Amino acid sequence: DAKTTQPTSMDCAEGRAANLPCNHSTISGNEYVYWYRQIHSQGPQYIIHGLKNNETNEMASLIITEDRKSSTLILPHATLRDTAVYYCIVRYRNQGGKLIFGQGTELSVKP
Amino acid sequence: DVKVTQSSRYLVKRTGEKVFLECVQDMDHENMFWYRQDPGLGLRLIYFSYDVKMKEKGDIPEGYSVSREKKERFSLILESASTNQTSMYLCASNKGAMVSGNTIYFGEGSWLTVV
Repeated sequence: DAKTTQPTSMDCAEGRAANLPCNHSTISGNEYVYWYRQIHSQGPQYIIHGLKNNETNEMASLIITEDRKSSTLILPHATLRDTAVYYCIVRYRNQGGKLIFGQGTELSVKP
Repeated sequence: DVKVTQSSRYLVKRTGEKVFLECVQDMDHENMFWYRQDPGLGLRLIYFSYDVKMKEKGDIPEGYSVSREKKERFSLILESASTNQTSMYLCASNKGAMVSGNTIYFGEGSWLTVV
């Protein structure tokens, strides 16, 4: 099955950059990579998405490798409020356009 | 501001009851989705819809059905609730073609407990 893979958990010191990786080795064509995060008991919050080029917004940066088989979400200056589960999502054509979630990375930002 | 609204935040139902979870979006989105989320299993897709009266099964459709009579509303139905359907249910929507890059918006979730 087409899927994404992410590390289960990561730690990051407050004020440092958090780099969260995602593998999506079967991605192809015009399929997009999305990143969301989820704080406990809330719905997922959109962070950023991209196709081929690197993207940046007020929350984060998204780096996509040239072959598009992996990506990294960067939170440039992590705060305690960034502690959450981060999901990498790809919209796969061969899955009828369904959203395929990875298992998510639980990011803990520590003081 | 974009909005996906789930009608009930917390519900407690008895085994065998029929349960309706309602989701409304005010963004004129074509695509709508229902997920459930369980500890250790992540988000799993139950059903989705690309248009009014259209529906497709996701990864775990058993025990569920859906209804999309109007573009803005997507309902998840548990015909006979069972305890293994205790979970958090998330509705999502987005606009456009299946492989578009349009942002996907989620509701706040509905916590269902079946006793």
